This record gives sequence, structure tokens and C-alpha cells, in this order.
Amino acid sequence: EPEVTQTPSHQVTQMGQEVILRCVPISNHLYFYWYRQILGQKVEFLVSFYNNEISEKSEIFDDQFSVERPDGSNFTLKIRSTKLEDSAMYFCASNIESSLLYEQYFGPGTRLTVT
Amino acid sequence: SQELEQSPQSLIVQEGKNLTINCTSSKTLYGLYWYKQKYGEGLIFLMMLQKGGEEKSHEKITAKLDEKKQQSSLHITASQPSHAGIYLCGAPMDSNYQLIWGAGTKLIIKP
Repeated sequence: EPEVTQTPSHQVTQMGQEVILRCVPISNHLYFYWYRQILGQKVEFLVSFYNNEISEKSEIFDDQFSVERPDGSNFTLKIRSTKLEDSAMYFCASNIESSLLYEQYFGPGTRLTVT
Repeated sequence: SQELEQSPQSLIVQEGKNLTINCTSSKTLYGLYWYKQKYGEGLIFLMMLQKGGEEKSHEKITAKLDEKKQQSSLHITASQPSHAGIYLCGAPMDSNYQLIWGAGTKLIIKP
């Protein structure tokens, strides 16, 4: 069964460093999403991406964050200058249509630890 | 802003017993997803409900959407250890398809 993959599974970085989280969505999917979950808290929407541009973003997704689909298969989330409060599990998701008719398939997540 | 409240926050159930988890929205629900998460891991899709009154079942899990009550319930029959985990409901915010999430219900199954 096709699945969304994410790398790395765990990333430790120092405050102020840039990190890039990588995701490979399911190949025929067109809509891509990033969510984050701070330990013990709710899953929070960050951004959705379609047709090579951001379609929606939340208040969390400020200028420190950016997304890119550099090569038609990878979908990346970059945090320019990490802060302690960026420590969280980051989930990538994709679906074939942005519609309730289609489930969002989630990757296993990348645990980001900022020290 | 729209919020999803899940109840209970946690549940300990004897293996073999039935249980119900609820998800209530502060605004109109345009549909609802149920996912399961093992602690610190990814989200596994369970079910998606699109319209009021809809009920879906998968193995021993049944979910229903009550549009008037702005609520969905997830019912597990004859619970097993494999059902243990955190159950999350997610719903599109307004109609923009970005999902907002409940805080989760942690389910523990006692053997």
C-alpha cells in the first residue's frame, strides 16, 4: 500500500540553526500538508500546498517557516532559525483531492528537538 | 475560532467491554475524520464521515456523525489490546479543508 514517508525520524538541532524536514507524499497526490504536535498537545495545522504554492497557512506558519516541492517528489518544511518552542513532532500529509471525499494520509512524523 | 472537544480525555476499559468516545464541535461540522495515534507516532486513518446521520463501521469500530448536535461518536465493541492508543477527531475549519483537531482520547485496555 502506498505511504507517505518522512525523514529524518528524529532531528536534534541547536537553537538558531536552520532545519529542513523532508517528506515524500504518495505519488499521485496533489495536495500536501504540514502539521505539528507539541508533546502532550493537540495536532496543529501549519500549511497546505497545492500546485506549487501555499493554499492556506495558519498563524503558526510565520516568516521563519517555508515549504517547497523542489523536485516533484519531495515536499520540504524549512525552519530558518529554530527556537526552543519549535520542538515538536512534525507530520506531513497528502491527499489526492482537497475534499472530504478523500482521506489525508499521514507520514510517521519527524521528531524535532531544539536545544 | 472553531474548536473540537473530545470526551473523555482518557479511558481505561476491561478487555472485551464496549466503549464510546465523543467529539463535539463548537461550530457546524462539514464532516469529520477519526484517526488513531500510538504515543509519539504517526496518525492512522480510521474513518471519514461526510454528512449528518452517516454511520460507518470498520471491524469493531463504528463512528457516527450527528450534524444537529455538532457531534461525532466512535464506538468500539468488544475491545481488544490492539485498540489501545490515542483517538483523535479532526474536522475541516469552516469549509477550507484545513483540519483542526481535538485533544485526543487516550484509551487503555486492561487485560
